[in-house]
This record gives sequence, C-alpha cells and structure tokens, in this order.
Amino acid sequence: SQTIHQWPATLVQPVGSPLSLECTVEGTSNPNLYWYRQAAGRGLQLLFYSVGIGQISSEVPQNLSASRPQDRQFILSSKKLLLSDSGFYLCAWNRRPGDGYTFGSGTRLTVV
Amino acid sequence: EDKVVQSPLSLVVHEGDTVTLNCSYEVTNFRSLLWYKQEKKAPTFLFMLTSSGIEKKSGRLSSILDKKELFSILNITATQTGDSAIYLCARGGSNYKLTFGKGTLLTVNP
Repeated sequence: SQTIHQWPATLVQPVGSPLSLECTVEGTSNPNLYWYRQAAGRGLQLLFYSVGIGQISSEVPQNLSASRPQDRQFILSSKKLLLSDSGFYLCAWNRRPGDGYTFGSGTRLTVV
Repeated sequence: EDKVVQSPLSLVVHEGDTVTLNCSYEVTNFRSLLWYKQEKKAPTFLFMLTSSGIEKKSGRLSSILDKKELFSILNITATQTGDSAIYLCARGGSNYKLTFGKGTLLTVNP
C-alpha cells in the first residue's frame, strides 16, 4: 500500500533562518507531488507541484523553492524565512488528472 | 482562473441537526469534485464525484454533484460533536492539481 511521510511535524524558526521540509512517498512510482500551505486553518494554497524528477512548477512567487531529487522525494526550502511564511504545510500526491490526493500529516511552521 | 467557492464559511449547529454545505466551481476542463474533512491535521478524503445526480453516501454523510448548475452539496444528518471540522471542497481538472475552496468551518455544540 502507498504511504506518504512528511517531517518534521512542528517547527519554530527565527526570521532569516533557512528551511527544509521533506516529503517521501512509498509504494508507488512516478507520483505527482504537491506542496500546499494553509494559513489560519482555512483554504489550501498550492505552492509547487512536480510531475517528475527535476520538474518543478511554481504557482505563487515567493521566497520558497522546491526540488525533487528522487522520484518519490519532494523538498520544500527557503534560504531566509519571513514571518509571513508561518503556516501549515502539506505535502500530497496523486497519479492521474482529477484523482484525489493523499496528504502527508503536515508541518506546522512558526516563524518568530 | 479556476475558482471553487464554498458556503457558508462557518456554521454553528447543535447535535442532532442536519447541515448542508455548498460548493460551486468553474467548468473549465472539469473532471472531478472532491470533499475532504480536516480536523487538527491533514485533510481526510470523504467523497469523489464525477457524475451528475448520483448520490454518494457514507454513514450520515452524503454528497451529490450537479454538473449543469456547477455545484455540489455535502449533507450531514444527525450531527455529532465529532463532525466539528473544516470541510474542504476541491475541483479536479485535466491537469493533475486540485483547486480547493476556502472551506466551511462546522462547529457542532452538544
């Protein structure tokens, strides 16, 4: 069966520090991978998605970046965090257009 | 721009009440309409709807899609405090990504 792992679960980082959040999927190959951010417990904003190794599409210009170094690994990074980067970050995957997502357990990031 | 609009944004009811949550979407390259429930952490899948007029049920929850009027509803009967959550609606299109609405925050009081 397929599983998705996301870590860490919570993170408190000072403004200006770097960020690295990791997401891995097991039990499938060539998944489509997504990073979403949810602010104030409301709607999900798509940040990045990837349909293959090294292929990253950015939805919202900001100081975050994403990479996909391996087929089932998706990393969200920042060189210098801003206060506005605080939020709940979710990784997700699916296989085909229109399919629902399976979500990771999320990372609650607080930038102080 | 893909848009998914949910209403109401928040709702407070008493245990035992029946609630109806609404979701409207844009038609461009539509493939599916999905409902998720989110409590403290990650959203969990409830329903995926692709055909108009066919109700999907799971216990006290049910959902239906109207592809002519471009909306879906999620019904919860005999609500319980454990139903308190954010309910998210999402639209799937011809690309891989889902577009989410802002969610409905449901609070069920004892």
